[in-house]
Amino acid sequence: EVQLVESGGGLVKPGGSLRLSCAASGFTFSNAWMSWVRQAPGKGLEWVGRIKSKTDGGTTDYAAPVKGRFTISRDDSKNTLYLQMNSLKTEDTAVYYCTTEEYSSSWVLDYWGQGTLVTVSS
Amino acid sequence: AIQLTQSPSSLSASVGDRVTITCRASQGISSALAWYQQKPGKAPKLLIYDASSLESGVPSRFSGSGSGTDFTLTISSLQPEDFATYYCQQFNSYPPMYTFGQGTKLEIK
Repeated sequence: EVQLVESGGGLVKPGGSLRLSCAASGFTFSNAWMSWVRQAPGKGLEWVGRIKSKTDGGTTDYAAPVKGRFTISRDDSKNTLYLQMNSLKTEDTAVYYCTTEEYSSSWVLDYWGQGTLVTVSS
Repeated sequence: AIQLTQSPSSLSASVGDRVTITCRASQGISSALAWYQQKPGKAPKLLIYDASSLESGVPSRFSGSGSGTDFTLTISSLQPEDFATYYCQQFNSYPPMYTFGQGTKLEIK
């Protein structure tokens, strides 16, 4: 059974930093392309960024609002995905989900963790 | 970037009703559209991919159709557990990014 468990959320002041983790199990993590998606309170879903598998280059892509501030990385030896968030703004307040990606005729987000809440407030 | 517009934004219906939610893309995307269901306090769940393919384990009362710019999600006979928010999603190849519709909240009448 695929399991994704996020951790690391909490309260942080504007301008601060936070690192989220996502522990994966039930599938071959090293082969997986992974994404982070966030949801501000009472709002819709917003894609944050992705990381490809190392065999596919291990490169990352980011949404415009977080590019240059957020960094996605992975440790395949620990089956763990990370989201390093720097220069946090109040508008980054959201539940952050890690997801697996699957390709059929296009990309979809097929498994989701339960999410971790990040609150940016003074 | 391609934008997705869902309609309606909210919908009231009764158990047993047939319900249709629409998603319109700002430009043609062939059949590259997915649908998700999200219940309050829970993570989204993939329902349909490639516009009409049912994800494993999803009840057959859910169906998707469409291609190009206009897509629909249909629930043939609403069950109590179907009251949730539904999102459509597509993937832009360049720049690489996932885009979601704004969501449709399905409520009990």
